[in-house]
Amino acid sequence: GQQLNQSPQSMFIQEGEDVSMNCTSSSIFNTWLWYKQDPGEGPVLLIALYKAGELTSNGRLTAQFGITRKDSFLNISASIPSDVGIYFCAGQSGNSGYALNFGKGTSLLVTP
Amino acid sequence: ETGVTQTPRHLVMGMTNKKSLKCEQHLGHNAMYWYKQSAKKPLELMFVYNFKEQTENNSVPSRFSPECPNSSHLFLHLHTLQPEDSALYLCASSRGQGASGELFFGEGSRLTVL
Repeated sequence: GQQLNQSPQSMFIQEGEDVSMNCTSSSIFNTWLWYKQDPGEGPVLLIALYKAGELTSNGRLTAQFGITRKDSFLNISASIPSDVGIYFCAGQSGNSGYALNFGKGTSLLVTP
Repeated sequence: ETGVTQTPRHLVMGMTNKKSLKCEQHLGHNAMYWYKQSAKKPLELMFVYNFKEQTENNSVPSRFSPECPNSSHLFLHLHTLQPEDSALYLCASSRGQGASGELFFGEGSRLTVL
């Protein structure tokens, strides 16, 4: 599958700070998705993006589908302790049919 | 509660054992997936079923054998596994095969092969 580069690998921040993470690819995607995985759980979909340039919010989370269709970012504003977890980006292209390509994840730790 | 239930949550087995992982979805979805999650690696797609038919086998070794008796149930039969097969195995479902990329995951089965 196509490789996604997700950064940073990990973040250690204080409660109340804003967080930004991104995902890049050498290939074009038609869909970008962001998932969160809590410890001991499976990933849960946070935001799905279907159009280049699209900016979508879900509460304190905001994600954008890059204009080049090769990148996406996720911002979390005013972080809280329950934001702790691993955040995965995933891309889907017509070339890979239905298969999602996942990034390696960004591990987020939030201290009170 | 995502509507996708996996059992068992934890499994320890020897290399000569035969065991099975079970997945059940209560979402009325038509596609079901097995993913392997290993530390420091992206999620790896293993198998895809759409309307009970296998549509994808991502070069998975034959010691992993999937079964999908209906659109709501998915099994992964395991035999003569290797220690490097130890990982979290995630089941997921979607409305149709990858139409929107929106997958609903179970909590995973943590497999340890001794």
